[in-house]
Amino acid sequence: SQQGEEDPQALSIQEGENATMNCSYKTSINNLQWYRQNSGRGLVHLILIRSNEREKHSGRLRVTLDTSKKSSSLLITASRAADTASYFCATSAGGFNKFYFGSGTKLNVKP
Amino acid sequence: DAMVIQNPRYQVTQFGKPVTLSCSQTLNHNVMYWYQQKSSQAPKLLFHYYDKDFNNEADTPDNFQSRRPNTSFCFLDIRSPGLGDAAMYLCATSWREGNQPQHFGDGTRLSIL
Repeated sequence: SQQGEEDPQALSIQEGENATMNCSYKTSINNLQWYRQNSGRGLVHLILIRSNEREKHSGRLRVTLDTSKKSSSLLITASRAADTASYFCATSAGGFNKFYFGSGTKLNVKP
Repeated sequence: DAMVIQNPRYQVTQFGKPVTLSCSQTLNHNVMYWYQQKSSQAPKLLFHYYDKDFNNEADTPDNFQSRRPNTSFCFLDIRSPGLGDAAMYLCATSWREGNQPQHFGDGTRLSIL
């Protein structure tokens, strides 16, 4: 299965702290994407990193990719209560835009 | 401005009674996807359409079917829902070409009585 694994499964931090979540996957990929899901809602795309990139930033988000270890990390700096959500990584392989999602990290940011 | 719209948000059906979930998009994307997501789990890809070409995942049960009558609309049909089919069903769209994000609707939560 191409499906990735994420850790931790759950993370609880105080507002203002940084949150780091990790994703590991099994096969070669074209790109890896991170999505956010608020409770009872659909997924929202956060950031995409291609297989030839090692790091990418978007606002308070920083994503790294290590293809030799088949792993990625998402760092959210200066977290806010509104960042409380589940975060999923998704990998895509081959020439087609089809994704398999990791198991997700549930982030709780306490005010 | 909602770009991927799923109706209804909540659907209740009886065990064995066919049910149809709908998805529409205003993005004109050539690919539409259906995912099943059970509580605290990852979204699981059921199938996708590239234009009118239907692509089923190998482990998607035969009980699940889909229709895409035009670019904008896609339907998920569950022919004989079982208790195990209770889940959130998510529709997503994207361009076929690689390195593109998927755009998700807010899902339909299906309950089986």
